[in-house]
Parts: sequence; C-alpha cells; structure tokens
Amino acid sequence: AQKITQTQPGMFVQEKEAVTLDCTYDTSDQSYGLFWYKQPSSGEMIFLIYQGSYDEQNATEGRYSLNFQKARKSANLVISASQLGDSAMYFCAMREGSQGGSEKLVFGKGTKLTVNP
Amino acid sequence: ETGVTQTPRHLVMGMTNKKSLKCEQHLGHNAMYWYKQSAKKPLELMFVYSLEERVENNSVPSRFSPECPNSSHLFLHLHTLQPEDSALYLCASSRQSGRLTDTQYFGPGTRLTVL
Repeated sequence: AQKITQTQPGMFVQEKEAVTLDCTYDTSDQSYGLFWYKQPSSGEMIFLIYQGSYDEQNATEGRYSLNFQKARKSANLVISASQLGDSAMYFCAMREGSQGGSEKLVFGKGTKLTVNP
Repeated sequence: ETGVTQTPRHLVMGMTNKKSLKCEQHLGHNAMYWYKQSAKKPLELMFVYSLEERVENNSVPSRFSPECPNSSHLFLHLHTLQPEDSALYLCASSRQSGRLTDTQYFGPGTRLTVL
C-alpha cells in the first residue's frame, strides 16, 4: 500500500486565486512528520512547510498553509494568492517516528500545478 | 544562498563508462542523502550518511557506490550502468539524520542519461 497518495496528477489555477493540493497518508505510528516540497522545472526540490503529528495548529509559512486533518489522515497544501512562479511539481512526503526515528522520507508521486495568467 | 550544490548538472554516459557525481553542502549539516527520481515514479532514497558513516543503503545495486569523505561532501560513483538507471539524481542534506522534524534541503540534481 502506498504511504503517501496524491490523487491529482495535474491542477490548474488562475493567478491570484487560492488552490488546494491534496495529500493523504498511511501510517500506524503516533509520531510522524509531514513535509511539502516544490520542484520547478529546474529540478531542485524546495522545502515549503512542515507539520508534526502532535502539532495542534495547522502549519503556515507565508502564502503556504497546511490543512491537517489527523483523523482523516490528510495533509493538504493550500497556496493563497497564486503567482505564475508557483507553477511547478508539488510533492507531499512523510517521515515516520517508530523505532527511534527513521532516515526515510517517503514521497508521493506529486501534483503538477499550472498557474494561468 | 547556495546551500547544496551538485555537479555535473547533466551527464551522458555509455554503459561501460565510469563517472562520479559530486554533492557539496554549505549549511553545516551532519547528514547527507542520495535520491533517485525516475519519470513517473516517486522519489526513491538510495543512501544516507550521518557524520560520514553510511546509515542506510536502500537495496541499491552495487554499480552505484557512494563515498562521503567529510560531512560537507558526498559522491556517487557510477560504473557499468544500465539504460534504466537514467534519472535525476538528487542530493540532500539535513542537520542530523533520524529526527522526526529534521528537514532535508536538496540540491538541483544531476540529470543522468545512460546510452
């Protein structure tokens, strides 16, 4: 079974509008961390935002916020006021905390976001 | 800030060649990682080094050989590769490995084509 599922292969949004990118995860651990990365066509993976499983509030970083619904095991990324430079692949990733921590960051297949002018 | 750099950015090699990928991090981190990103597949962790010791080898074929001479540099030595090894190879670093909150910072990647 996939640990991270991103069901939207591609998304389109108008400039200045908000967009939500979906991510669901599968784990039996109580401690885990969720990450979102952005990958422009240049290839570099850019860290955007982190949410810990015990964090009571949704994480926010500038125009990025994470809609964390623990019971549903979802960690959707919300980008507000989209800009043309937001066009990229977006990856959701998880690290599980069992056995004293894990080296492994498991990634989803990604969502390609296109921002239209 | 040029946190993590990788060279070369593009590499074309034959199946009998030997080449090396280089990664350097300028963030003062103690852990470094190699990932493989193939088309239409999730990013796959290959190797993890913590304080210059290999702590994870994710069932990677022996034709890929990592080397970490110090905490700032990481190499991936390549020999006798197959066409299916063509992919984007990404290097990452983090403050230390194994912590839940530890964020990995990536380099721009090396686009490898094996003919």
